[in-house]
Amino acid sequence: DAKTTQPPSMDCAEGRAANLPCNHSTISGNEYVYWYRQIHSQGPQYIIHGLKNNETNEMASLIITEDRKSSTLILPHATLRDTAVYYCIVSVPNAGGTSYGKLTFGQGTILTVHP
Amino acid sequence: EAQVTQNPRYLITVTGKKLTVTCSQNMNHEYMSWYRQDPGLGLRQIYYSMNVEVTDKGDVPEGYKVSRKEKRNFPLILESPSPNQTSLYFCASQREGAGVAKNIQYFGAGTRLSVL
Repeated sequence: DAKTTQPPSMDCAEGRAANLPCNHSTISGNEYVYWYRQIHSQGPQYIIHGLKNNETNEMASLIITEDRKSSTLILPHATLRDTAVYYCIVSVPNAGGTSYGKLTFGQGTILTVHP
Repeated sequence: EAQVTQNPRYLITVTGKKLTVTCSQNMNHEYMSWYRQDPGLGLRQIYYSMNVEVTDKGDVPEGYKVSRKEKRNFPLILESPSPNQTSLYFCASQREGAGVAKNIQYFGAGTRLSVL
């Protein structure tokens, strides 16, 4: 799986958009970008994923650059409950052998939403 | 409600006393997995199972066993726990099949284990 680079921490004011960047410059053509978050020692929670098109769901938007070497997760109106560690993961769905289904979590970005 | 349920949520035990952490999912998922999370090391996969009676080692399998006798259950067994297995443990499940979004894993709430 491609390595990802995220800033260790970010701050955001409540009600403002939170834009979390991720660099995955070695991504290959069949690798997807996944975002998960973990709220203080709870189980990680899936947010969104994409291959090359921008994606939006009820939680967030995902913007992937045209060259696919980086992406940005956007929380349009951050709330205090969005304070969490956000993980950007690049992976091939159902890769064979020992990579089957495994998600490799890095250190992520600690997002702190302030009142 | 779709969920992955782990029990117990908290466990304190002593070195060498066998224990089992249960994991159950109600989503009929084929794939299940166990992770441990330690400060500075992130989440690391212990074991995974692609379906009933099919299990394999992840990145840190030493000292752990698993079984998958039923699709919904995937218990984690520590035959002789040691203090270095003190950690936060997560079970996860994932649906397989054509046309289904891949690598979307659903995690349990976690089990915090302390081995004295």
